[in-house]
Amino acid sequence: AQSVAQPEDQVNVAEGNPLTVKCTYSVSGNPYLFWYVQYPNRGLQFLLKYITGDNLVKGSYGFEAEFNKSQTSFHLKKPSALVSDSALYFCAVRDPGRQTGANNLFFGTGTRLTVIP
Amino acid sequence: KAGVTQTPRYLIKTRGQQVTLSCSPISGHRSVSWYQQTPGQGLQFLFEYFSETQRNKGNFPGRFSGRQFSNSRSEMNVSTLELGDSALYLCASSSSRPSYEQYFGPGTRLTVT
Repeated sequence: AQSVAQPEDQVNVAEGNPLTVKCTYSVSGNPYLFWYVQYPNRGLQFLLKYITGDNLVKGSYGFEAEFNKSQTSFHLKKPSALVSDSALYFCAVRDPGRQTGANNLFFGTGTRLTVIP
Repeated sequence: KAGVTQTPRYLIKTRGQQVTLSCSPISGHRSVSWYQQTPGQGLQFLFEYFSETQRNKGNFPGRFSGRQFSNSRSEMNVSTLELGDSALYLCASSSSRPSYEQYFGPGTRLTVT
């Protein structure tokens, strides 16, 4: 069975410092991994994805994520945090065993990022 | 392109009633997925529709149902509402290309009293 874990409910970082939001996964086969961000009273916004290829994936708003197969991790990173990055971040995995094109995502519990001015 | 739209944005219903939520996907997107978001259970997949057919289903009771129309617009219905159905219901659309990105609407906040 597939699952995603976000071990930190809350991450605080000072503005200008690098940030990391952690995610580990468990799937059979090769995973399709995603990061989404949710601002208050809004839906989820797509940040980036890993399907195949380079382990370092670059996404929107200066975010990037590193896929590490041996550690089954897909941590989200940004070199310099902004106050406007404060939001709820979700890691998600698509079950590769599902029929082609099927779009069910399994989400982690979310990590609330607070960037302190 | 216009984004995913969901109506209504807020809804208050009484236990035992039924409710219908609507989702209009991004133009050209044929896949629509529905998710339930609650503080306790987080984000959970409800079902996915593609070309008017349910392609995938999560682990929810039969009170939760959906459909998709020929223009790809989708509706989900919850019958015999329970207090635990109070949640943010999110709709997401994606293209038929194998890019796998889903684009989410703002959600419908359902409160059951």
